[in-house]
Amino acid sequence: QLQLQESDSGLLKPSQTLTLTCTVSGGSISSGGSFWNWIRQPPGKGLEWIGYISHSGSTYYTPSLKSRVTISLDKSKSQFSLKLNSVTAADTAMYYCARAISTIGTVPKFDYWGQGTLASVSS
Amino acid sequence: QSVLTQPPSVSGAPGQRVTISCTGSSSNIGAGYDVNWYQQLPGTAPKLLIFGSSNRPSGVPDRFSGSKSDTSASLAITGLQAEDEADYYCQSYDSSLSGSYVFGTGTKVTVL
Repeated sequence: QLQLQESDSGLLKPSQTLTLTCTVSGGSISSGGSFWNWIRQPPGKGLEWIGYISHSGSTYYTPSLKSRVTISLDKSKSQFSLKLNSVTAADTAMYYCARAISTIGTVPKFDYWGQGTLASVSS
Repeated sequence: QSVLTQPPSVSGAPGQRVTISCTGSSSNIGAGYDVNWYQQLPGTAPKLLIFGSSNRPSGVPDRFSGSKSDTSASLAITGLQAEDEADYYCQSYDSSLSGSYVFGTGTKVTVL
């Protein structure tokens, strides 16, 4: 059974960089067809997809956050990470890591999720 | 704001049938992209409920079903149970701008 676990985030001040790591266990982070995603949810609000990195290292980000986001992969540690620069209060949210898997012609489905980690931005 | 619109809330008595709509446009559902659905119980991470518009992962009760038509998709819950009280989100792909995976606005299901 694949398991994903986010690192703790805690409290950040405006303009700082949010850094999170997701550790994957119970399966290979190098599996073909797998995409490793970050998704966030502001308190009391809906889900927002941030971006993904593929097993081969290709990245894709949502346009609204593209200028501030970097997702990287460390296969040796079975981890992938999120960096979000220049945070503001609007970035306060629960951050989830999730695996997406797809077959040709289908929209990837997020089938495994971490439990989430709350990142709060406040001065 | 999301490009996939859902009703904020729906409710039903135990045993009843409720449906949740997910309305998109020609750049997402109307372009032929599949829809996935997720259930989020209070204080927990979302769980995949329906994929490929109408397929259930192993372990998901057959009380849950999905469909898609034109620019919209729907999730139906038949035989509503107390444990179904949760938030539900649709998800698809949108080809506008630079393209992105998108979630619906979310629907709170209340069991009366």
